[in-house]
Amino acid sequence: AQKVTQAQTEISVVEKEDVTLDCVYETRDTTYYLFWYKQPPSGELVFLIRRNSFDEQNEISGRYSWNFQKSTSSFNFTITASQVVDSAVYFCALREGGFKTIFGAGTRLFVKA
Amino acid sequence: ETGVTQTPRHLVMGMTNKKSLKCEQHLGHNAMYWYKQSAKKPLELMFVYSLEERVENNSVPSRFSPECPNSSHLFLHLHTLQPEDSALYLCASSQVARGSGNTIYFGEGSWLTVV
Repeated sequence: AQKVTQAQTEISVVEKEDVTLDCVYETRDTTYYLFWYKQPPSGELVFLIRRNSFDEQNEISGRYSWNFQKSTSSFNFTITASQVVDSAVYFCALREGGFKTIFGAGTRLFVKA
Repeated sequence: ETGVTQTPRHLVMGMTNKKSLKCEQHLGHNAMYWYKQSAKKPLELMFVYSLEERVENNSVPSRFSPECPNSSHLFLHLHTLQPEDSALYLCASSQVARGSGNTIYFGEGSWLTVV
């Protein structure tokens, strides 16, 4: 069965600190995709990244980086030098074939000035 | 302008009212979705439409009635709701409905309060 676990419910950091958001997933499929979304207080889920199960290369985009490790079924997200604007709820998600994207419970990040 | 727009952004309705949520996508996608986000619950998939045909109905009560007149528009008709239906209702779209590589793009959501 599909499952996505984000064990960190809330994280609070001070601006300029680095922070890592954890995501662990379960799937029996060999072909799947993993996603991260950001949800600011306005409500919209903003797509950040998509990764397929055959590509374990880490990815960096500005202050954001993602570490995908199939051996531990993890897809962690690091924000370097966090800023107040990074405050939001972050969701990790998993999609196999079919119609459903399974979302984790989300991690609420507070970045204090 | 976002690729997926939802109206209204905020709605307060009584339990005997009938109202509708509207969603429009400008991305040329063929699949549209309704998700429900309640406090302290994970995102719940409600309905999936592929080329105006409903392909997934996730055990949603009949007081929620979706309508997809074309691949760009999606409605959620609401009637005789309960206070526990108060939530953020998110519309989304993707290129196609089925398949692992689909990225879902969300609208800003409609905040619904049932009084």
